[in-house]
Amino acid sequence: GIQVEQSPPDLILQEGANSTLRCNFSDSVNNLQWFHQNPWGQLINLFYIPSGTKQNGRLSATTVATERYSLLYISSSQTTDSGVYFCAVGGLTGGGNKLTFGTGTQLKVEL
Amino acid sequence: DTEVTQTPKHLVMGMTNKKSLKCEQHMGHRAMYWYKQKAKKPPELMFVYSYEKLSINESVPSRFSPECPNSSLLNLHLHALQPEDSALYLCASRRQGSYEQYFGPGTRLTVT
Repeated sequence: GIQVEQSPPDLILQEGANSTLRCNFSDSVNNLQWFHQNPWGQLINLFYIPSGTKQNGRLSATTVATERYSLLYISSSQTTDSGVYFCAVGGLTGGGNKLTFGTGTQLKVEL
Repeated sequence: DTEVTQTPKHLVMGMTNKKSLKCEQHMGHRAMYWYKQKAKKPPELMFVYSYEKLSINESVPSRFSPECPNSSLLNLHLHALQPEDSALYLCASRRQGSYEQYFGPGTRLTVT
């Protein structure tokens, strides 16, 4: 099956700092989503971005499908940004149904 | 509106019990999913329902039995579970014409 790697595994930031999270995947995809999992376990949709660039407030994401990676940018980080960030992809063979998650980036934003 | 609801939020059950998890969405989505997430791990797909029919079963043990009685509702029936089945169980749905999945808040299951 498709492999998904995320880096870094852990990240500690001071409030106000910027960061870049990376997601590498091993095959062509027709679905790529970024999620933020809060401490209560809720997966919050950040971006649906199988290709191209999107921005939403302090967050933006870029997927370069031909090179099989995606980047999530967090600017001016806040303590509420803490949690686990997952990249999940759906490969072509699964018809986009089979989301495979990366191992996540655990982000902690400190005052 | 992209809300998926799940009940109960928490469940503690013994290994001989039978219980069910419930997931609902009223967005008209025709694909629904069950995922399992162990502590400190990413979610893993268990089952996919498309138009109320089971389309993917990721070799899940038969002690987990999914059911999709209608297009808005997805159940997961649990029987004779093991302590290692303790996990967060997440439900998701997907709207037509898009691959984007939306997740519910999950049910945290503890098997004693």
